[in-house]
Amino acid sequence: AQSVTQPDIHITVSEGASLELRCNYSYGATPYLFWYVQSPGQGLQLLLKYFSGDTLVQGIKGFEAEFKRSQSSFNLRKPSVHWSDAAEYFCALGGLSGGSYIPTFGRGTSLIVHP
Amino acid sequence: GAGVSQSPSNKVTEKGKDVELRCDPISGHTALYWYRQSLGQGLEFLIYFQGNSAPDKSGLPSDRFSAERTGGSVSTLTIQRTQQEDSAVYLCASSPQGAGEKLFFGSGTQLSVL
Repeated sequence: AQSVTQPDIHITVSEGASLELRCNYSYGATPYLFWYVQSPGQGLQLLLKYFSGDTLVQGIKGFEAEFKRSQSSFNLRKPSVHWSDAAEYFCALGGLSGGSYIPTFGRGTSLIVHP
Repeated sequence: GAGVSQSPSNKVTEKGKDVELRCDPISGHTALYWYRQSLGQGLEFLIYFQGNSAPDKSGLPSDRFSAERTGGSVSTLTIQRTQQEDSAVYLCASSPQGAGEKLFFGSGTQLSVL
């Protein structure tokens, strides 16, 4: 079975501070890994994706994530947070389940940005 | 349209009533997903359509839930005899082919069962 764990329900940072959101996964092979962002009242938007190659992936809006196979992690980072980054962030794993490709999502981390 | 469209955006219904939620995926996308998002629970997979293949219904929580996809395009999620625990945001997503690709999400339908 595949699963995704986001251990932090809420993260609060000050504007301009660095950010790291944690994501751990469980899957029997190399998965597709994604980070999505959801602003209030909106659908989810892809920030970045990893499958193979360079383990440090660059995404939109200045975000990056690092795949660490040994730790089964795919943490999202940003060096300097802006107030507009306040949103819900979801880590997702794309793998085969019973022959179907069904992305599994973590429960999300809510990012609060203080001025 | 340019994106995934869902309607209605909000639906309030009484317990025991049936509801239908609609999803218009991006034209040409063969894969279509329904997820349910409850407060603090993340996204729960419901059902997956891929082309003309039989849908994967493994995520449907009960037989009160059903979905169809007509002509490989529009999809309708039906909830019969709604219960208060069905209250959630129902999200639809599509992707060009499925495996390994990102999902394009609609804005969701907020369902409230009174």
